[in-house]
Amino acid sequence: NAGVTQTPKFQVLKTGQSMTLQCAQDMNHEYMSWYRQDPGMGLRLIHYSVGAGITDQGEVPNGYNVSRSTTEDFPLRLLSAAPSQTSVYFCASSRWFIGQPNTEAFFGQGTRLTVV
Amino acid sequence: GQNIDQPTEMTATEGAIVQINCTYQTSGFNGLFWYQQHAGEAPTFLSYNVLDGLEEKGRFSSFLSRSKGYSYLLLKELQMKDSASYLCAVRGIGAGNMLTFGGGTRLMVKP
Repeated sequence: NAGVTQTPKFQVLKTGQSMTLQCAQDMNHEYMSWYRQDPGMGLRLIHYSVGAGITDQGEVPNGYNVSRSTTEDFPLRLLSAAPSQTSVYFCASSRWFIGQPNTEAFFGQGTRLTVV
Repeated sequence: GQNIDQPTEMTATEGAIVQINCTYQTSGFNGLFWYQQHAGEAPTFLSYNVLDGLEEKGRFSSFLSRSKGYSYLLLKELQMKDSASYLCAVRGIGAGNMLTFGGGTRLMVKP
């Protein structure tokens, strides 16, 4: 089972460049999300989606865009990369039912991004 | 909003028991999760608590007290492979039931 697949695994960008981090899941999960992980700060939510066509901001959305045209895919776009966006990015997916919070999140393997 | 605190680092000996604490302050609570993350890898699910009490799963147990905003993860019979970061996360209510993570506790198991 593929689960959650993220590409690329590593990326180096120059300041001002744009790029898209890809995320795909094959578990038919309604809920998908993007986190960034920085030393000492844990995982912080960037954007999330509860279904195709629906997205919303998380804790640290500035500088990032998302879209959800299909259930399977949830790409994250960096509009104009900045050194502050150097981080490890994780995509996650889970089932999502109102009234059923016990839905564990499955994580992709992460993308290590460096902005120089 | 959510505020989640856990110790930054802990060290324990192989074969021993270790307890990792997590305290939280939330505007809404819809369950608490523990994840394990080995260095350079993705977090993986360990346990979930939504009611007060202890949930046991093999060598791992997780406890929750909602009135105290407190949880702990108990690891028994520690093995070297348990060296990892342990992440406490709280699921909120409303706004997509967002999952908010603490900073993680890095556990080092020594022989």
